[in-house]
Amino acid sequence: NAGVMQNPRHLVRRRGQEARLRCSPMKGHSHVYWYRQLPEEGLKFMVYLQKENIIDESGMPKERFSAEFPKEGPSILRIQQVVRGDSAAYFCASSPPVGTGYGYTFGSGTRLTVV
Amino acid sequence: DQQVKQNSPSLSVQEGRISILNCDYTNSMFDYFLWYKKYPAEGPTFLISISSIKDKNEDGRFTVFLNKSAKHLSLHIVPSQPGDSAVYFCAASALQRTSGSRLTFGEGTQLTVNP
Repeated sequence: NAGVMQNPRHLVRRRGQEARLRCSPMKGHSHVYWYRQLPEEGLKFMVYLQKENIIDESGMPKERFSAEFPKEGPSILRIQQVVRGDSAAYFCASSPPVGTGYGYTFGSGTRLTVV
Repeated sequence: DQQVKQNSPSLSVQEGRISILNCDYTNSMFDYFLWYKKYPAEGPTFLISISSIKDKNEDGRFTVFLNKSAKHLSLHIVPSQPGDSAVYFCAASALQRTSGSRLTFGEGTQLTVNP
């Protein structure tokens, strides 16, 4: 039973390019969350998705960032026109449906470096 | 607005002694609290949790205490082992049954257990 899979593990982008981060939740998990960890800080909530639905995106920057969780395939966090301040570790977590327990499992993260 | 705070960025203890990590929160809506352990280049892994209806939860060497009136929780590790050396994050949730279990994290405490 594979855990939460994130890829790539490391991503280097030049300023102005697009970054795509992928997350495959654990089997049986229908909720996906994205968190960002800036250097020397804790994890900050970005967005919560269910299949084909964005439930809560209150932590997402208003511009350049978007997320999706299609019916088929992984969840994607997309950052357009990256800037140096986007350099961070991006963690995805998944959980089972609400009411079935706090089975909150994190992936190993994608470390984005903008040069 | 830091709703969950871990005021000690680092803690160093001797092997075999007790480690006490502290966490304070401000949001009275939080009703579930979790501790995560994180090694470098890995995602956070769940350690132990406590519901707001309890004041103590124990799992092996790990015990979490919750003081609701003080809005304070602590994680006790006894006896501490070198393998416990990691960053420990406190997290809190206000279970929103319509939107899932979004977590608010503290900044983390780096625990070092010296042999």
